[in-house]
Amino acid sequence: DAGVTQSPTHLIKTRGQQVTLRCSPISGHKSVSWYQQVLGQGPQFIFQYYEKEERGRGNFPDRFSARQFPNYSSELNVNALLLGDSALYLCASSLVSSYNEQFFGPGTRLTVL
Amino acid sequence: KQEVTQIPAALSVPEGENLVLNCSFTDSAIYNLQWFRQDPGKGLTSLLLIQSSQREQTSGRLNASLDKSSGRSTLYIAASQPGDSATYLCALLFGNEKLTFGTGTRLTIIP
Repeated sequence: DAGVTQSPTHLIKTRGQQVTLRCSPISGHKSVSWYQQVLGQGPQFIFQYYEKEERGRGNFPDRFSARQFPNYSSELNVNALLLGDSALYLCASSLVSSYNEQFFGPGTRLTVL
Repeated sequence: KQEVTQIPAALSVPEGENLVLNCSFTDSAIYNLQWFRQDPGKGLTSLLLIQSSQREQTSGRLNASLDKSSGRSTLYIAASQPGDSATYLCALLFGNEKLTFGTGTRLTIIP
């Protein structure tokens, strides 16, 4: 079975632009979470979605938004990019909820110039 | 605030040695704890999941323990190999359904 997939792998944007990151969960998994990992730090929680509804939101500004589609894939959108948004963005999926084991994708490396 | 600490930040050991990585936390009201490994620039690979009612889990050369009363978890790696070199992260799940991560221990196995 395929694991969690994310696209694109790498992305370079300039300040003020907008970006959309995509995630496909493991087949059968209904919960998707997004994390931001700045170099040298542990991942920080951004959003969790289950059955297309937002179940949790971390301490991130409103420039960050996400959604989950009927096929359980998800998109993370970031508007008005800042230099500090440069990070590895990780998507995790789990069977039903975050209480189940979470499996992470390879991440999208975002560089903001 | 839920805090997760991993000390040391970096560790180097000769190949073949057994080693222990530490994870400590301040809030004992956890649902589960996961250990992950991360290779440079890559995503996270789940190693072991311990539910709050469990004391330990084993997978191959890895053994993870959980002691909620003392706020500690350890990851024991037996007979270390160069392929074990990576950053190891512990992550705790609390009632808010988000994983709270430590900053990781960067492990280097010296051939």
